[in-house]
Amino acid sequence: AQKITQTQPGMFVQEKEAVTLDCTYDTSDPSYGLFWYKQPSSGEMIFLIYQGSYDQQNATEGRYSLNFQKARKSANLVISASQLGDSAMYFCAMRGASGTYKYIFGTGTRLKVLA
Amino acid sequence: GAGVSQSPSNKVTEKGKDVELRCDPISGHTALYWYRQSLGQGLEFLIYFQGNSAPDKSGLPSDRFSAERTGGSVSTLTIQRTQQEDSAVYLCASSSGLARQYNEQFFGPGTRLTVL
Repeated sequence: AQKITQTQPGMFVQEKEAVTLDCTYDTSDPSYGLFWYKQPSSGEMIFLIYQGSYDQQNATEGRYSLNFQKARKSANLVISASQLGDSAMYFCAMRGASGTYKYIFGTGTRLKVLA
Repeated sequence: GAGVSQSPSNKVTEKGKDVELRCDPISGHTALYWYRQSLGQGLEFLIYFQGNSAPDKSGLPSDRFSAERTGGSVSTLTIQRTQQEDSAVYLCASSSGLARQYNEQFFGPGTRLTVL
């Protein structure tokens, strides 16, 4: 069975500093995709970044990067130069490619950026 | 439309009443997902559709919950005899449904259901 674990229910970071949000996963699929979403207090889910299981390089999107360690089954999100607008819930998710279109989400990490 | 839309945005109902929640996916997206999010919690998978069929209904919490999709487009999530614990935000998402790893889900704004 597939599973996503986010062990940090809440995190604080000082503005302009970097922060790492942890995500570990479990799957028997050889091929899978990992996603991070941001959910501000307004409620909408915003796609941030994607990492494929066969990608050789860590994904980056602007200030977001994904620290993908396949052997450890971790896909941590790194936000550099934090901004006040980064305060939100962050969800890690996974999709297997072999026979299922189902996405599994973690329980989320609430990030608060301090001025 | 340009994105996923859901209606109503808010629904207040009395315990025991039936409710219908609607989702309009992005045009051409074959995969459609329903999630439930209780206050301050993560996303709980309910059901997903590929076309009009639902290969995975494993997340539906009870037989009071059902969903259908017609014409490979609009989907309706029905909750019968609502209970107070059904109060949550119901999120719909769609994706192109292609059998490849990268298949971003696009989320709707959600329907906030309150059962009194």
